[in-house]
Amino acid sequence: DAGVIQSPRHEVTEMGQEVTLRCKPISGHNSLFWYRQTMMRGLELLIYFNNNVPIDDSGMPEDRFSAKMPNASFSTLKIQPSEPRDSAVYFCASSLGKNSPLHFGNGTRLTVT
Amino acid sequence: AQRVTQPEKLLSVFKGAPVELKCNYSYSGSPELFWYVQYSRQRLQLLLRHISRESIKGFTADLNKGETSFHLKKPFAQEEDSAMYYCALRGTGANNLFFGTGTRLTVIP
Repeated sequence: DAGVIQSPRHEVTEMGQEVTLRCKPISGHNSLFWYRQTMMRGLELLIYFNNNVPIDDSGMPEDRFSAKMPNASFSTLKIQPSEPRDSAVYFCASSLGKNSPLHFGNGTRLTVT
Repeated sequence: AQRVTQPEKLLSVFKGAPVELKCNYSYSGSPELFWYVQYSRQRLQLLLRHISRESIKGFTADLNKGETSFHLKKPFAQEEDSAMYYCALRGTGANNLFFGTGTRLTVIP
């Protein structure tokens, strides 16, 4: 099992550009989570899905952020337009559901200049 | 509202010394508590969860509901324990985890 797979590992872009982060959860997991990690705020939950349906997106910072899960094996987190303050490491995690631990991907380090 | 507090951003101890990473939580129901660890250049991984009541890599953590704490302890720190440690809470019937801001542990040789 390759675990949760995220791409790209690193992304450097200019302010105003669109950024798309990708995640492939562990096969059979029905819950998927997007977290953002910064030095100041640690790990913040942005949004999570159960069975491909968004359950809680209250952590999404603003309308510039959007996430989709078109099927059980793929999710995207999009930022449009990107801003320097979006620079962070974005983690995707998946789990079998309630009472199961989360398994994290390696993260995508985003730098917006 | 649920909250997880890790008061120390940085913690340094000498090899062989005891280590305690503090975690306090705020939650009105019966939470489930976790410790996750992130070693250098590796993904975040589960270290232990309070319902398992087990010791992993020499670490233990006891849920103290009276003090609303879930401190992580190890009697003798090793260099390979140097990492970022996150305390996390899951509410009753919930699926997602709320994380603290993390503590970076450095074990000095």
